Parts: sequence; C-alpha cells; structure tokens
Amino acid sequence: KAGVTQTPRYLIKTRGQQVTLSCSPISGHRSVSWYQQTPGQGLQFLFEYFSETQRNKGNFPGRFSGRQFSNSRSEMNVSTLELGDSALYLCASSNPGLAGRSSDTQYFGPGTRLTVL
Amino acid sequence: SQQGEEDPQALSIQEGENATMNCSYKTSINNLQWYRQNSGRGLVHLILIRSNEREKHSGRLRVTLDTSKKSSSLLITASRAADTASYFCATTSGSRLTFGEGTQLTVNP
Repeated sequence: KAGVTQTPRYLIKTRGQQVTLSCSPISGHRSVSWYQQTPGQGLQFLFEYFSETQRNKGNFPGRFSGRQFSNSRSEMNVSTLELGDSALYLCASSNPGLAGRSSDTQYFGPGTRLTVL
Repeated sequence: SQQGEEDPQALSIQEGENATMNCSYKTSINNLQWYRQNSGRGLVHLILIRSNEREKHSGRLRVTLDTSKKSSSLLITASRAADTASYFCATTSGSRLTFGEGTQLTVNP
C-alpha cells in the first residue's frame, strides 16, 4: 500500500494570507489526524477527522480548520497567517475498527513545511 | 502542552554502542508508543507497549514501561549510523497522540 501523502511539501506565504494543506491517507484508513511541529512547542495535536466529522480537537485558535472528504482525504486550512504559524504540519492516518475507535498506531506523512514571512 | 519529558535531550554515541532514552508522562495511559523522526521528516512508528505490559522487544529495540513511576525507556542495541534521528514517546488518549519533547540521538561511525 502507498503511504500517507501530503501536498505541497514546502510552502512560503506572507502574514495575513491563508493556506490549504492536503493529506491523502493510506488506502482503507478512515481516520486522519493533523499535528503541528515547531522548535518551541514540539509536536502538538490539531484535530482528527473520522468519516467526514471532526472527532477531536486540540487547543488551537479558530484560524485553524479542517475537513475530510468522502474518500477520507483531508485538508487543513489556516487563515490570517501569523509568523508563529511557521511549522512542519504532519498528517497521520489510522484504521479504526468496526466500532470506530481509533487504532493506536498512526502512520505519518512526510509533512508540509510552511514558512510565513 | 507536552505530556511529559524525555531524557536526555541529546545523546551522542559511537556505532555499536547501546543507546537508552527515557520518557516520563503525567496521566494514566492505555499505551505508550515510540516514534522516530529523521531530520524534519515524518514520524515512523517503532513500537507500542500497552499499560499491562512491562517489556517489549522488536529487533534491536527494547521498551520498558513502569506505570507506577509513569515512565518508559527505549533501548537501541548495537546502534548504527542510520539510527541517527530524533526519538519521541507518545501517549494515546482516544484518537490523540501526546508527544514528549524528544531525544536527538547521534550515532557516530
């Protein structure tokens, strides 16, 4: 199976702009989670989508949003970019069982490195 | 916020030596996982240990878990230059992984 893919890999934006990042999970995986990684804050959970519904959300402002499509692909959007949004954004997919519980193991994509100038 | 701390923050060893990294966490857990990250790339899942397990092996990796001390350790035996990476422990709460701060391991050839 192909792994988790993320596009684009690199992105440069200026303050005030908005950005959309895309994630394609492993085939058959229905859960997609997003994480932000910065040198100062480390790896932080943004949100998780399962069957097109946001199931869990981290402690980030409303400028960070996401969605999931019927084919499980997910997009993450950040509006009104700030310098502090410069980070590596990681997407992870997992394969919950029939009950919809999350699998413990998450499989990560290569990330999108966002630079805000 | 981070679930816990990892110790040491950085570790430099020679090829062939063993590397031990420690992780502490704050809350009760169902399981604890270790991930590896090479130079700003994605995370690779290494091993998962459940709260009712005390030790687990996978190839050159050995993980221990002490729930009474809320701590875990990752041992990499006979290290190789290719093991150079950052190593993170993570606890699971529902669908959310909460990561430690990571240990940067450098294995010198």
